[in-house]
This record gives sequence, structure tokens and C-alpha cells, in this order.
Amino acid sequence: DIQMTQSPSTLSASVGDSVTITCRASQSVRNWLAWHQQRPGKAPKLLIYKASTLQSGVPSRFSGSGSGTEFTLNISSLQPDDFATYYCQQYEDDYTFGQGTKVEIK
Amino acid sequence: QVTLRESGPALVKSTQTLTLTCDFSGFSLTSSEMSVSWIRQPPGKALEWLARIDWDDDKFYSASLKTRLTISKVTSKNQVVLTMTNMDPVDTATYYCARLQGPAAPFDSWGQGTLVTVSS
Repeated sequence: DIQMTQSPSTLSASVGDSVTITCRASQSVRNWLAWHQQRPGKAPKLLIYKASTLQSGVPSRFSGSGSGTEFTLNISSLQPDDFATYYCQQYEDDYTFGQGTKVEIK
Repeated sequence: QVTLRESGPALVKSTQTLTLTCDFSGFSLTSSEMSVSWIRQPPGKALEWLARIDWDDDKFYSASLKTRLTISKVTSKNQVVLTMTNMDPVDTATYYCARLQGPAAPFDSWGQGTLVTVSS
């Protein structure tokens, strides 16, 4: 199984800040990497796929990069709606998720 | 507009079999490259993929749960059904269904989820 490890587990930030979340895979997933946002009590929502492609309707302040085993999700100028938990997900070999990164208000 | 909605019992007892239904609209599982998966999330924990069924009725399961899971589809009703046998309290989770557009694709639309609690 491919393991996905995110860091940090929790991130405290303010509205307007820029933040970066890292996701590492235990083996190469090429660019078969997605990022999902989950607000409390809600279903996950796809933000980015193929490591860096923005899903339709997702604001451009979200961006993704990386390939192989190391990936990042960047959120520029945090908005109130962005305080949520973010999960990376590989789909190179079956599907596995990272443990999540909670972005909370400082 | 793509929508998915999960339904099933909110409470099951240990050793019982869980049956969940995913009703979807806005796409067809007869269309090439369409797939539906089940994913679960224990309270406060991360997401875990369970199973996938493809437009051509190919089925794939999580290696760790394979012996307990069965996924099927009712094409005429736009439904996907998941059964999980021998339920245990550790299976308490919110269960989601989600669409994929192809095997090498992310989960691009999710249902709202249904919470299943397993009592001992």
C-alpha cells in the first residue's frame, strides 16, 4: 500500500495569510495526486487533481505542485471559508488519503 | 448537475451485515469511464477508500477489507450498493459514495455521507 503523510497536522493562520501544506508519498505516485477540502460536518470537496490542475469553480488562490513523492498545496490570502481540513489523496495505486491538515484561525 | 446521496441504517449491531445504497443523478454508470466508489471516515479520523465499481461492472476492493465487502450496481435505478459483513464497533464511521471519471481519476463529486454506528 502507498502511504501518504501530511505535514503539519494543524496549522494556525489569519485571514489574508498564505499557507503551505506538504504531502509525501511512500513511493512515487507520479502526478496522480489530488487535494480535497473538508469543512466541519460536510463532505470532502475536490480542489486540485493531477497534482496541479485546479478543479472547475475552485478559486485561483489554491494551487498545487509536485510530482513523484513530494507535493504541496498552497493557499494564498486565506479567506474565512478556507478554514477547514485538507486531505491529499493518491490514485496511482488504489486510493489512499493523508491524515489531514487542519487549518485553524489563529 | 451531479448529485450522490447515501442511505442506510444509522445503527447496526456487532456481527450484523450493513447494506448501504448510493443514489446518484447527473451521470450514468453505463457511460464509458464512469465509476463509483465508497469511502468511509471514522469520527475525527482520516478517509479510507473501500471499494469501486466501474461502468463495465469491474469491481475493486480495499485489500484490508476485501473479504467483508461486496459492491454492486442497479443501472436501471442509478444506484450503487455496498454490503459489509460482520460489522464491529471499529466500523463506526460516516460512509460516503463518490464519483470518478475513469480509473486514473480523483473523486470529483461526493455524497453528503451517512453516519453508521455499530453497537457491541
